[in-house]
Amino acid sequence: QTVVTQEPSLTVSPGGTVTLTCASSTGEVTSGYYPNWFQQKPGQAPRALIYSTSNKHSWTPARFSGSLLGGKAALTLSDVQPEDEAEYYCLLYYGAVGVFGTGTKVTVL
Amino acid sequence: QVQLVQSGAEVKKPGSSVKVSCKASGYTFSNYAIRWVRQAPGQGLEWMGGIIPLFGTTNYAEKFQGRVTITADRSTSTVYMELSSLRSQDTAVFYCVRDLDYIDTSGSRYYGMDVWGQGTTVTVFS
Repeated sequence: QTVVTQEPSLTVSPGGTVTLTCASSTGEVTSGYYPNWFQQKPGQAPRALIYSTSNKHSWTPARFSGSLLGGKAALTLSDVQPEDEAEYYCLLYYGAVGVFGTGTKVTVL
Repeated sequence: QVQLVQSGAEVKKPGSSVKVSCKASGYTFSNYAIRWVRQAPGQGLEWMGGIIPLFGTTNYAEKFQGRVTITADRSTSTVYMELSSLRSQDTAVFYCVRDLDYIDTSGSRYYGMDVWGQGTTVTVFS
């Protein structure tokens, strides 16, 4: 069974920068896994942020960016705002099947 | 604007089935796949599977194979997800999500999910 692993939790100060990663149990994550990133706040449906590694949706704030870093997919939040406190999930595609990551709780403190 | 509106909350008994609907608007329904995602209370997201309405083709995560059926009605722009043999562990919020899948002029493929439904809570208890 394929497992996609993320940091359980990260803390960042307002105005700071934090990078979340997304690793695959099968090995290196490449663009062929079409990494996606989602943000979910308590009691709300998830919201899409990034698709195909680094592409932003029309509603994605400029301070969010996606990349590949050290064999993993990465989401970087720059100039972090209090409203960025949320759970973040990555999604990788293994052929036609998607697998979500375990999620990262980002606290802004 | 693109919208996915799901049916209301359900309460079901163990062993029964539930059918959740997802009505799409604001775009050409047949041209985009719809996926379903499950989230148990306090837990993460699980990709369940989906359908391409234009062709009616489906695919499912191995975990749900044999227990989930996803169908589409192009006349009403609605996708349905039916989960059978319900157990208490199926208590969750179910989301429908639109796929984003295109190839640009250079031949590069872009893939992911964009718009989410509001979620449907399914509670299974006896």
